[in-house]
Amino acid sequence: DIVMTQSPDSLAVSLGERATINCKSSQSVLYSPNIENYLAWYQQKPGQPPKLLISWASNRESGVPERFSGSGSGTDFTLTISSLQAEDVAVYYCQQYYNSPRTFGQGTKLEI
Amino acid sequence: QVQLQESGPGLVRPSETLSLTCTVSGVAISDNYWTWIRQPPGKGLEWIGYVHDSGTATYNPSLKTRVTISLGTSKNQFSLRLNSVTAADTAVYFCARENGWNFESWGQGILVTVSS
Repeated sequence: DIVMTQSPDSLAVSLGERATINCKSSQSVLYSPNIENYLAWYQQKPGQPPKLLISWASNRESGVPERFSGSGSGTDFTLTISSLQAEDVAVYYCQQYYNSPRTFGQGTKLEI
Repeated sequence: QVQLQESGPGLVRPSETLSLTCTVSGVAISDNYWTWIRQPPGKGLEWIGYVHDSGTATYNPSLKTRVTISLGTSKNQFSLRLNSVTAADTAVYFCARENGWNFESWGQGILVTVSS
């Protein structure tokens, strides 16, 4: 299994400030034939299912605010929220879809 | 608009079988991977497995001996069966649609408690 490890486990950021969440995979999720990273980011608010924010490591889903961005390649990835808004308080998960079983990071709790 | 809805008992006794159904609307069952994911209270997400519209299923090795995911008799449903449950199987169970890559649609989740 590919182990996904996020850091930090929790993070407190002031409104309007930048938030950065890291995700490291135990093996590369970069698929060489198409040069794509098989990694997604999700946001989960209390009492709700996760919501897909970013796929292919850096492709923002339709309707996701531009302040959310993803970067990285291979085994090291980052989710950045450029200017934190109150509605961004949530738990964030990275997930690999390079192979089965699909695996998630342990989650990062983002607070204000 | 794609919608998924989990249904089933919220309480299951230890050693018995957990059975859940996911009803899908707004999209055909074809060409997707219909997935179950669970989340113990206050913890992270665990992928249980999926069934493809061909009927082929793939499971998490950690649960493989106890789990069955199948397409329902109704064309817009799929189901989860988990045998020999213990308290460690207490979780919110989500059904989701994987497009072959990531989970783009989710149900609201159903809390299943294993207790006598």
